[in-house]
Amino acid sequence: GENVEQHPSTLSVQEGDSAVIKCTYSDSASNYFPWYKQELGKGPQLIIDIRSNVGEKKDQRIAVTLNKTAKHFSLHITETQPEDSAVYFCAASWGNYGQNFVFGPGTRLSVLP
Amino acid sequence: GAGVSQTPSNKVTEKGKYVELRCDPISGHTALYWYRQSLGQGPEFLIYFQGTGAADDSGLPNDRFFAVRPEGSVSTLKIQRTERGDSAVYLCASSPSGSADTQYFGPGTRLTVL
Repeated sequence: GENVEQHPSTLSVQEGDSAVIKCTYSDSASNYFPWYKQELGKGPQLIIDIRSNVGEKKDQRIAVTLNKTAKHFSLHITETQPEDSAVYFCAASWGNYGQNFVFGPGTRLSVLP
Repeated sequence: GAGVSQTPSNKVTEKGKYVELRCDPISGHTALYWYRQSLGQGPEFLIYFQGTGAADDSGLPNDRFFAVRPEGSVSTLKIQRTERGDSAVYLCASSPSGSADTQYFGPGTRLTVL
């Protein structure tokens, strides 16, 4: 089955700085990689995703890069703001139809004002 | 439009009791997932429905756990003879098609087994 690792487990940055979270996966057949943001007491919310046919995707301050050869993908947040503070999870699809997701253990991001 | 809703938001029960957790997916979404999230960890897959049928229940930890989706919309996760180790947040997600598609999560049900 699929295994997803995520680093770092905690990350503190100053407001305005950039934050980078990295994930690796084991199943080369995985083809869809979403990133979720989870605030305290809430369910995970999709913030960006990428499919295996592209290497990079950007949405305003958030970008994701994918290296299929190395089987790793990264989340980049620029110009961080205090409201970016949350737990971030990466995930990789797997299964015959990519129907199941395996999540990483999460990164707790703290943006210090 | 309305997102995924889950009820109850919190459930406290005693060891050995039976509990039911409900999920209302986004209207029209054919795929529905249940996950379990323990403190400080990522969501852990339990079961996946495509329509009314359980397409993959390989994540259910044992036969005390069961889920249904009789009409292809609302789903109920049922846990028999609850144990303290079942305490966690149970998350439900729905997806338009289920095939490497975006999953939309509900707020979860926090289950505490005393």
